[in-house]
Amino acid sequence: AQSVTQPDIHITVSEGASLELRCNYSYGATPYLFWYVQSPGQGLQLLLKYFSGDTLVQGIKGFEAEFKRSQSSFNLRKPSVHWSDAAEYFCAVGAGTGFQKLVFGTGTRLLVSP
Amino acid sequence: DAGVTQSPTHLIKTRGQQVTLRCSPKSGHDTVSWYQQALGQGPQFIFQYYEEEERQRGNFPDRFSGHQFPNYSSELNVNALLLGDSALYLCASSLAGGNTIYFGEGSWLTVV
Repeated sequence: AQSVTQPDIHITVSEGASLELRCNYSYGATPYLFWYVQSPGQGLQLLLKYFSGDTLVQGIKGFEAEFKRSQSSFNLRKPSVHWSDAAEYFCAVGAGTGFQKLVFGTGTRLLVSP
Repeated sequence: DAGVTQSPTHLIKTRGQQVTLRCSPKSGHDTVSWYQQALGQGPQFIFQYYEEEERQRGNFPDRFSGHQFPNYSSELNVNALLLGDSALYLCASSLAGGNTIYFGEGSWLTVV
């Protein structure tokens, strides 16, 4: 069965520092991978997605992610974090019909210190 | 262009009652999915509707049912509510052959 692991429950980063959030997936074929962000009490906003092609994917708000098949990973990165980036981040793999059944990880909460 | 809209935003129900949540997909989208997000957890897939039929389903009991209307809007119904049904219910919309899935702001359900 498909699954996603986000090993870090909480991460604290200083404002202006770089960020990397880890995501490992389990899927038999080429995965459809997503990163979403959720601010407190809000819905999910799509940051970026990977289906095929270039393994380095650019998203909104200055985020990027790199697909590494050999490591079954899809880590999210940002070169310089802003205080407004504090939120919960979810990695997901697309499964089922049309790859539209998203299987989410448990999320990583990002705290940004001044 | 309105995104995915959900109603109500918050509601409180008593154990054993029934609840209906509503979702309007993003303009142009024909597929609606529902997710349950318990506090501190990632969203869990409930089911997906396309062409007014349930297309695929997650591991949820049949107390959870849904409907899709000809205008692609959708309802999620939960019968015989349990305390454990308290969660944020998220609606997501997409095109059947597409690869981008948009979420609404969710409906917070509290069962007391």
